[in-house]
Amino acid sequence: ELKVEQNPLFLSMQEGKNYTIYCNYSTTSDRLYWYRQDPGKSLESLFVLLSNGAVKQEGRLMASLDTKARLSTLHITAAVHDLSATYFCAVVYNDMRFGAGTRLTVKP
Amino acid sequence: GAVVSQHPSRVICKSGTSVKIECRSLDFQATTMFWYRQFPKQSLMLMATSNEGSKATYEQGVEKDKFLINHASLTLSTLTVTSAHPEDSSFYICSARRDPNTEAFFGQGTRLTVV
Repeated sequence: ELKVEQNPLFLSMQEGKNYTIYCNYSTTSDRLYWYRQDPGKSLESLFVLLSNGAVKQEGRLMASLDTKARLSTLHITAAVHDLSATYFCAVVYNDMRFGAGTRLTVKP
Repeated sequence: GAVVSQHPSRVICKSGTSVKIECRSLDFQATTMFWYRQFPKQSLMLMATSNEGSKATYEQGVEKDKFLINHASLTLSTLTVTSAHPEDSSFYICSARRDPNTEAFFGQGTRLTVV
């Protein structure tokens, strides 16, 4: 059974700081996604990573994928308050399985 | 991205009654739809996978007689929570994909409260 482990589960950051969220998974996968979820809302797609070494960036967020290590990272650069949300990684293997989520709070 | 519409966005029902949630793919044909449940401050847990024209595949621990899933067309799947109880109160989210090699898109979610 595919297992997806995400850490940290909680992250409190100061504005302007950098940090990385990690996502490990247990079996070979076709694709890996990163999503953002605001309270009471559904998921917003951030990145889809399809191949080993894939790197994608959007604004202050950058995601990468190492399929050999079965590891993806979501790096936050110079955090701002608007990035406060819960971030999920999800791995596709027949269906889609989610990590536990990282609840990010960015403080002034 | 493609649009998946979920309805209703919020519903309150009495214990013992049934409630139906709809998930529609508006601009593509979805061969597969997924239903997830999310309890407060937790992750999304896959409940079942439904393929158009076939019986849904339920995850271990999900009661198929309680959570009825119908995927009668390529644009519509429904989840019916039967004989609802307060512990069924949760956020239910559907997703739909065109085929196994394409991205799945998520509905807006349904907040179910059973009183």
